[in-house]
Amino acid sequence: AQSVAQPEDQVNVAEGNPLTVKCTYSVSGNPYLFWYVQYPNRGLQFLLKYITGDNLVKGSYGFEAEFNKSQTSFHLKKPSALVSDSALYFCAVRGRGNTPLVFGKGTRLSVIA
Amino acid sequence: DAGVIQSPRHEVTEMGQEVTLRCKPISGHDYLFWYRQTMMRGLELLIYFNNNVPIDDSGMPEDRFSAKMPNASFSTLKIQPSEPRDSAVYFCASKVGRDYIYNEQFFGPGTRLTVL
Repeated sequence: AQSVAQPEDQVNVAEGNPLTVKCTYSVSGNPYLFWYVQYPNRGLQFLLKYITGDNLVKGSYGFEAEFNKSQTSFHLKKPSALVSDSALYFCAVRGRGNTPLVFGKGTRLSVIA
Repeated sequence: DAGVIQSPRHEVTEMGQEVTLRCKPISGHDYLFWYRQTMMRGLELLIYFNNNVPIDDSGMPEDRFSAKMPNASFSTLKIQPSEPRDSAVYFCASKVGRDYIYNEQFFGPGTRLTVL
């Protein structure tokens, strides 16, 4: 069965500093990995995905994520955090076939001015 | 495109009452998903449809929950009778799966349900 772990419930970072939100996964076969962001009182918004190819994926709002097969990780990164990046971030994985995404429990990112 | 539309955005009801949540997926999307989000359990998949047919409803918590998709542009999630523990935010999402199975899902704004 596929699963996703987000080991940190909360990440705090100062504005202008780099940020990392961690995600590890477990899936049989090739993983298809996604990051979503949820702002208060809103639905989830797609940020980026890894399907195949370059291990570094660039997405919306300056975010990027690095796929590491040996460590089964897909950490979300941004070189310089903004206060407006403060939100709930979800990692998700899908295995083979047209099956639904399995979401992690989410990591709350707080960027402090 | 208007995105995924959900109604109502907020619902407050009393225990024992019937609740119906509605979703209009993005036009042309052939997959529809219903999720529930709570602080304790995070984001849970309840049921999903492909071409209006329910594919997997193993996430539906109890027989009190039912979902239908009578056509490609409308789905409902019904709770009858409702209980306080059903209080949560319910999300609908849709995606195109027929041409490229790795497409992302698009989420609606959610319905915040409070059962008193």
